[in-house]
Amino acid sequence: AQTVTQSQPEMSVQEAETVTLSCTYDTSESDYYLFWYKQPPSRQMILVIRQEAYKQQNATENRFSVNFQKAAKSFSLKISDSQLGDAAMYFCAYKGGNEKLTFGTGTRLTIIP
Amino acid sequence: NAGVTQTPKFQVLKTGQSMTLQCAQDMNHNSMYWYRQDPGMGLRLIYYSASEGTTDKGEVPNGYNVSRLNKREFSLRLESAAPSQTSVYFCASSPPWGRNTGELFFGEGSRLTVL
Repeated sequence: AQTVTQSQPEMSVQEAETVTLSCTYDTSESDYYLFWYKQPPSRQMILVIRQEAYKQQNATENRFSVNFQKAAKSFSLKISDSQLGDAAMYFCAYKGGNEKLTFGTGTRLTIIP
Repeated sequence: NAGVTQTPKFQVLKTGQSMTLQCAQDMNHNSMYWYRQDPGMGLRLIYYSASEGTTDKGEVPNGYNVSRLNKREFSLRLESAAPSQTSVYFCASSPPWGRNTGELFFGEGSRLTVL
């Protein structure tokens, strides 16, 4: 079974600074997707960024980028120029061939004004 | 532009009572899911349905039943609620594996409290 590990229950960053959230996963599959979801206080799960395992290039969405290390099974999220609206729970997630999405336990990000 | 709609948003039950959480999606997705979210544990899969007429157990199915009524609707039933089922429940849907991005689309969640 696939597992997703987020080892940082909480992180904080000064507004306008850069922060990196860590995620590792375990799988025997070669074809899969990785995601970062954001959950603000409203509870709505919002997709931040996705990465296809077959792509070597790291995904980027504006201020959000990932460092995908397939051999190391690592998938970290970097948030540049942090903004107050980035404060939320962030979940790393894995989706393989069985269509089930497996989540990590989440990292609560606080933005310090 | 509704996406995934869950009802009710909030519910308080007494131990032993039953209830059904309703979920509907209007995106013509094949796959639908029910997750529960508990502090420190992330989201855990209860049941999922890869297509109309099929359902499969996830990580934490005990105490729950599901019905894939049609392609749009996927309900979650608690037959005899227990305090351990106090949680926030999320319904989600996705296109078939291999199409689009593999992304799940989530409802807004339903907070259930069992006293």
